[in-house]
Amino acid sequence: GAGVSQSPSNKVTEKGKDVELRCDPISGHTALYWYRQSLGQGLEFLIYFQGNSAPDKSGLPSDRFSAERTGGSVSTLTIQRTQQEDSAVYLCASSPFGGQGDTQYFGPGTRLTVL
Amino acid sequence: GDSVTQMEGPVTLSEEAFLTINCTYTATGYPSLFWYVQYPGEGLQLLLKATKADDKGSNKGFEATYRKETTSFHLEKGSVQVSDSAVYFCALSERWIQGAQKLVFGQGTRLTINP
Repeated sequence: GAGVSQSPSNKVTEKGKDVELRCDPISGHTALYWYRQSLGQGLEFLIYFQGNSAPDKSGLPSDRFSAERTGGSVSTLTIQRTQQEDSAVYLCASSPFGGQGDTQYFGPGTRLTVL
Repeated sequence: GDSVTQMEGPVTLSEEAFLTINCTYTATGYPSLFWYVQYPGEGLQLLLKATKADDKGSNKGFEATYRKETTSFHLEKGSVQVSDSAVYFCALSERWIQGAQKLVFGQGTRLTINP
């Protein structure tokens, strides 16, 4: 079946602009995660959704970052007033139930470059 | 907080050599442990996992055993191939109050296999 998809694959933006990153999880997966992969910080957790609610937002680096999930499916990560330090690959993952031993399936990522 | 420490790379081996990539973790409870792999130009994918102490995960000739007494989950393969060249990430997940789990990753180890 189809895996996790993300769009766009690449995004170049100017400092101070807002960007939206989209994630389509595997159909039927209730848990959805956003991570960030950067050279300096490695792979970092950003936010977790169970259905449409986000019980864990602990990884969002600042209030410029927000995310929502609608219909228990598609999720959008929004970064307002982008800064150069936001440049990274943003990864989305989904898992069937969000359980401790669940495998998380990752999308190909969106590479964000802030000029 | 929880953390994962991996053997620093890059690691370069000849084809058919024995591979070990060390991974140790710090966690307050009883996490599940994972190895993810990122092949050039591709997304993260699960290589193997273990959900309780003494479990052995295996896939594609790779193995790792969950050792609670040494808090380790070392990755091994008896005879590597050029196609195993990739970046390998050790990760753990631990249950949170809301039942959520997030992955905590090591810094990654870049492996290059020469013919």
